[in-house]
Amino acid sequence: QQQVKQSPQSLIVQKGGISIINCAYENTAFDYFPWYQQFPGKGPALLIAINPDVSEKKEGRFTISFNKSAKQFSLHIMDSQPGDSATYFCAASRNGGTSYGKLTFGQGTILTVHP
Amino acid sequence: GAVVSQHPSRVICKSGTSVKIECRSLDFQATTMFWYRQFPKQSLMLMATSNEGSKATYEQGVEKDKFLINHASLTLSTLTVTSAHPEDSSFYICSASLTGAEQYFGPGTRLTVT
Repeated sequence: QQQVKQSPQSLIVQKGGISIINCAYENTAFDYFPWYQQFPGKGPALLIAINPDVSEKKEGRFTISFNKSAKQFSLHIMDSQPGDSATYFCAASRNGGTSYGKLTFGQGTILTVHP
Repeated sequence: GAVVSQHPSRVICKSGTSVKIECRSLDFQATTMFWYRQFPKQSLMLMATSNEGSKATYEQGVEKDKFLINHASLTLSTLTVTSAHPEDSSFYICSASLTGAEQYFGPGTRLTVT
C-alpha cells in the first residue's frame, strides 16, 4: 500500500515536444505529491509539488495534473528541451503520524530530449 | 534558498574502515533530516529519519549499528558507515526538511569500498 508506481521507465521526446510521466499510488492517506529531477551523479532537485486539494498546478513549463479519485498524478513538461534530459522521480508522503514527511518514491523515468 | 550540502562528494576507503558523511542545511534550520541510498539506475531508498537531539528512526532492514546517524544540531546530520565492505558501495544522499513536507536534497556522496 506504500508503493508509488511510475511509468514509463524511459521516454524519448523531440525538442519542443511534450513529455508526460505518470504515477499511481494506493495509499489514500498520502497528501503531498512532489516531482524531482535528478542529473547523473547529483542529488534530486524539487521541481514542483501538489496537494490533493487541487487538480492542477503549473510552474513555468512544468505542470502537475492530479486525479484524486483515480489515485493518479502526472508531470507534463511543455516545450521539452535537451537540457531537460534527466531522470524524473515522482514521490508521495503523508504528513502526519509516524510517517511524517517520509517520501515514497516511484521507480524513476529516464527522459531523453533529442535536439 | 533551501540549500543542502554534503561532504565529501566522493570517498574511497578500504574494507573494514569507517567513513563519515556530513549533511548540512546551509540557509535554514532543518527539523528533520533523511538519509537515502541509491544504487545505479535505481530509485532512492530511505535508510533513516533523524530529528535534532533524538535517536534516528531506521527503516526495516537497515542495520542501525552499521549506519550510525547523529543529528547534533538543526543544521548538521552525520552518517557513519562502520566497518565498510564492498557491498556498502553506493550513492548516499541526505535531505533536509523545515516543515516536514518539502525535502531538499544534498548533492550526494559516492562511496567506494575497495
